[in-house]
Amino acid sequence: KAGVTQTPRYLIKTRGQQVTLSCSPISGHRSVSWYQQTPGQGLQFLFEYFSETQRNKGNFPGRFSGRQFSNSRSEMNVSTLELGDSALYLCASRSGSGKNIQYFGAGTRLSVL
Amino acid sequence: KQEVTQIPAALSVPEGENLVLNCSFTDSAIYNLQWFRQDPGKGLTSLLLIQSSQREQTSGRLNASLDKSSGRSTLYIAASQPGDSATYLCAVTTAGGSEKLVFGKGTKLTVNP
Repeated sequence: KAGVTQTPRYLIKTRGQQVTLSCSPISGHRSVSWYQQTPGQGLQFLFEYFSETQRNKGNFPGRFSGRQFSNSRSEMNVSTLELGDSALYLCASRSGSGKNIQYFGAGTRLSVL
Repeated sequence: KQEVTQIPAALSVPEGENLVLNCSFTDSAIYNLQWFRQDPGKGLTSLLLIQSSQREQTSGRLNASLDKSSGRSTLYIAASQPGDSATYLCAVTTAGGSEKLVFGKGTKLTVNP
């Protein structure tokens, strides 16, 4: 069974641009969550989607948004990039039934110059 | 607000040593606790998940314990090997509707041959 796939693995953008990251969950998993990891703040929750609906949102500005498609694939968008958005963005999937193990992808490393 | 703390931030041990990593959380109303491993530049690998009603979980050389009332968990690694070198992260899911994981900042473990 294929794991969680995140694309692209690396991105370099400049301030003010926007970026879209993609996450394909494990087959059959309906829940996708996104996390931001930085050296200073560690891992912080961005949002969670279940069956195309956002169920939870972390404490991030409105520049961070996401969506989930009918096949459970999810995208995360960051508009008007700032230097502080440089981070490893991780996606996690789980089956959605009960609070069970979350499986993480390898992440997308975003560098904002 | 749930906060998770991991001590120590870094640990260096010789191969073969048994070791304990510590995790504490401020709100005992958790649903479960997970231990993850992260290799440099990679995503997270789930090691053990302990439900709030459980006291411990074991997988191979790993044993995780949970004391919900005192807000503590430990990860015991027996007979450490150089391949165990990684950052170990502890995360809790709070009781209630949210599925988000609240992470500690991790313990960076180095096992020297």
